[in-house]
Amino acid sequence: GAGVSQSPSNKVTEKGKDVELRCDPISGHTALYWYRQSLGQGLEFLIYFQGNSAPDKSGLPSDRFSAERTGGSVSTLTIQRTQQEDSAVYLCASSLASGSYNEQFFGPGTRLTVL
Amino acid sequence: GDSVTQMEGPVTLSEEACLTINCTYTATGYPSLFWYVQYPGEGLQLLLKATKADDKGSNKGFEATYRKETTSFHLEKGSVQVSDSAVYFCALRATGNQFYFGTGTSLTVIP
Repeated sequence: GAGVSQSPSNKVTEKGKDVELRCDPISGHTALYWYRQSLGQGLEFLIYFQGNSAPDKSGLPSDRFSAERTGGSVSTLTIQRTQQEDSAVYLCASSLASGSYNEQFFGPGTRLTVL
Repeated sequence: GDSVTQMEGPVTLSEEACLTINCTYTATGYPSLFWYVQYPGEGLQLLLKATKADDKGSNKGFEATYRKETTSFHLEKGSVQVSDSAVYFCALRATGNQFYFGTGTSLTVIP
């Protein structure tokens, strides 16, 4: 079946512009996660959605970052007034909610470059 | 809080050498443990997992045993190949469904 998809695959923007990154999780997966991976670094947790519960936003680095998930499926990560330090690969993952033994499935990522 | 501590890299090995990448964790409750791999230019994919103490996960010649007494989940392979060159991430899924990742260990295998 279809995996997690993300769009765009690459985004180049100018400093100060807003960007929107999209994630389509695997159908039936109620848990959705956003991470940031900077060059040579590990995964930095950003935000986590679980069904209709309030999202866990504890990883968002500043109020310029926000995310929403409509209808329990597609999610959009928005970065306002982008800065050069926002340049990174943004990864989305989804998982079945129930059972701690369920792994995450990752999308291919969106590479964001802020000039 | 829950966390994963992973062996720092980079690691460089000759083909057919033995590999161990250390991973220890801190968690409340009974987490599941995972190793993910990221090959050059590709996305993260699950390598193996273990869901309870003493379970051994295995895949592609790699193994890791969930050791509750030492809170460890070390990744091992007896004979690495050039194609194993990648970045390896240890992760845990807590009872609250949140995932915690290590910082990743880069492995390069030279012929």
